Amino acid sequence: QKEVEQNSGPLSVPEGAIASLNCTYSDRGSQSFFWYRQYSGKSPELIMSIYSNGDKEDGRFTAQLNKASQYVSLLIRDSQPSDSATYLCAAGWGAQKLVFGQGTRLTINP
Amino acid sequence: EAEVAQSPRYKITEKSQAVAFWCDPISGHATLYWYRQILGQGPELLVQFQDESVVDDSQLPKDRFSAERLKGVDSTLKIQPAELGDSAMYLCASSLASFGGIKTDTQYFGPGTRLTVL
Repeated sequence: QKEVEQNSGPLSVPEGAIASLNCTYSDRGSQSFFWYRQYSGKSPELIMSIYSNGDKEDGRFTAQLNKASQYVSLLIRDSQPSDSATYLCAAGWGAQKLVFGQGTRLTINP
Repeated sequence: EAEVAQSPRYKITEKSQAVAFWCDPISGHATLYWYRQILGQGPELLVQFQDESVVDDSQLPKDRFSAERLKGVDSTLKIQPAELGDSAMYLCASSLASFGGIKTDTQYFGPGTRLTVL
């Protein structure tokens, strides 16, 4: 059973601080990883994808991948109230499939 | 910007009734996915199409759910009869799906259909 685990939260962070979201995955064969943001009542929207070990930065967002530890993280710098949402981690595996974690609910406090 | 279209956005039905959801993927995307998302959980795959063929329907409750993508473009997901436990968000996603590589293509989601079964 391929699994992706996330802390369901809620994670509360003050505005302007760094929010750190974590994810572990069970399948060592996974090569592709994705972070999606989902506002309440809306559908998931892609924030970042990462395929190689190390960091990948896009604006205020940084994704980190450590395949040896089977660990993926998302850092959000200068957190804004508009970042308050549920963040879904997903791991890709054969035949173009994604397995999603249960999501971490993030609240940014003004 | 190309988007995945879904309709209806909201559906309220009584148990034992039939419901149908429609999805139109991003133009040129060969792979189409239907997911179910229960409140507080991540999306779970129901069925995956590559063009008009089913690639994976192992998690589709086939006694009541059916899905088709007859011309390899848009798709319909049907539930008959609906049960109380079917209340959830039904999400459609699509991807380019460049088979042969080890990477998984990004999946883009439609707005979803919120189903409430009374």
